[in-house]
Amino acid sequence: DIQMTQSPSSLPASLGERVTIICRASQGISNNLNWYQQKPDGTIKPLIYYTSNLQSGVPSSFSGSRSGTDYSLTISSLEPEDFAMYYCQQDASFPYTFGAGTKLELK
Amino acid sequence: EIQLQESGPGLVKPSQSLSLTCSVTGYTITSGYDWSWIRKFPGNKMEWMGYISYSGSTNYNPSLKSRISITRDTSKNQFFLQLNSVTTEDTATYYCARYRGIVHYWGQGVMVTVSS
Repeated sequence: DIQMTQSPSSLPASLGERVTIICRASQGISNNLNWYQQKPDGTIKPLIYYTSNLQSGVPSSFSGSRSGTDYSLTISSLEPEDFAMYYCQQDASFPYTFGAGTKLELK
Repeated sequence: EIQLQESGPGLVKPSQSLSLTCSVTGYTITSGYDWSWIRKFPGNKMEWMGYISYSGSTNYNPSLKSRISITRDTSKNQFFLQLNSVTTEDTATYYCARYRGIVHYWGQGVMVTVSS
């Protein structure tokens, strides 16, 4: 299985701050990397697919990129509703696997 | 509007089988996509358990292959998860989901506890 190492596990931040979450794959995944947001009530929302493509309805403050083996989710200016759990997920090969999650918390 | 809704018992005894139903509205499961089961464990780890495609083929996570079965009832637009010989390590929130490239739609999740 492809292992996804996600960091940080916890990210305290302030409103308006720019933050970045990183996932690294244990082998090449050729941009087959998605990002999701999970709210405290359990609802899960897709954010970005294939590394950098914004899902319909997702604010432009969210962006995704790749640098070598590191895949990043950046939120350019934090809004109150952005404080949640974030997961990366690879679908380069089955079983599709997730990162361990990042809890974005209000500082 | 496409909606997925999980249902099933919230408590299962060790060694028994876990059975869940995902009811889909707003889209016909034979029209496209892979219909998946994904679970989230206490402590936040997530695992893709498997899926049944719109054509009826299945693909299971090898870690579960001997215990899992995903089936469907096209007349009711539902698909199902059966996980056999459960242990306390199968305690999790179970989600059904529609996937192709990304999971566009998720159910709200059902929490299942394995305990005697």
